[in-house]
Amino acid sequence: ETGVTQTPRHLVMGMTNKKSLKCEQHLGHNAMYWYKQSAKKPLELMFVYNFKEQTENNSVPSRFSPECPNSSHLFLHLHTLQPEDSALYLCASSQDPRQGNSPLHFGNGTRLTVT
Amino acid sequence: QQQVKQSPQSLIVQKGGISIINCAYENTAFDYFPWYQQFPGKGPALLIAIRPDVSEKKEGRFTISFNKSAKQFSLHIMDSQPGDSATYFCAARDNQGGKLIFGQGTELSVKP
Repeated sequence: ETGVTQTPRHLVMGMTNKKSLKCEQHLGHNAMYWYKQSAKKPLELMFVYNFKEQTENNSVPSRFSPECPNSSHLFLHLHTLQPEDSALYLCASSQDPRQGNSPLHFGNGTRLTVT
Repeated sequence: QQQVKQSPQSLIVQKGGISIINCAYENTAFDYFPWYQQFPGKGPALLIAIRPDVSEKKEGRFTISFNKSAKQFSLHIMDSQPGDSATYFCAARDNQGGKLIFGQGTELSVKP
């Protein structure tokens, strides 16, 4: 049990589909993150929410739409994706990143395949 | 420069050997340097971290060596075990906003 739970673990979707990834953290953290992990590349930060407010959008295409209804839940809504969007999508949480060296706690990711 | 360069991309070590993974950075505003370990099918997990005011930190078989003047830091795994086989990521935190910048990752395989 990582304290950060992501669902689904695997997702296959066509380019015209709409789907959502879900993340839930049970660690009492205030910040939540979406990362994209592609083979042989660094983890790419996509979005950061701190106390439910989006504080970072790392030039992510609008076909990815995040939602953070509260500090414990984070969603990533997907629509009209491209095959190059196939990757492992990781959710993470931490204490307020502005204060101290709060480590990131990652979920096990959603393996997304766009066909 | 918001980059952390990690090498090697992959590493094969015999059981009992020393695994060494290196990272280099440019941005002097980085103030915290963690290493994450990721097993297949799992998310990365914090392994060990160091601040730039110390040159070395050791936790069990894992040691971070930090060279501030060279802007380099490395992870040493002593007495490497097959269970250490995983992907290792170095990272650096930007003190301007707390953003973590990750290296490309090193896939370590420890042979029995």
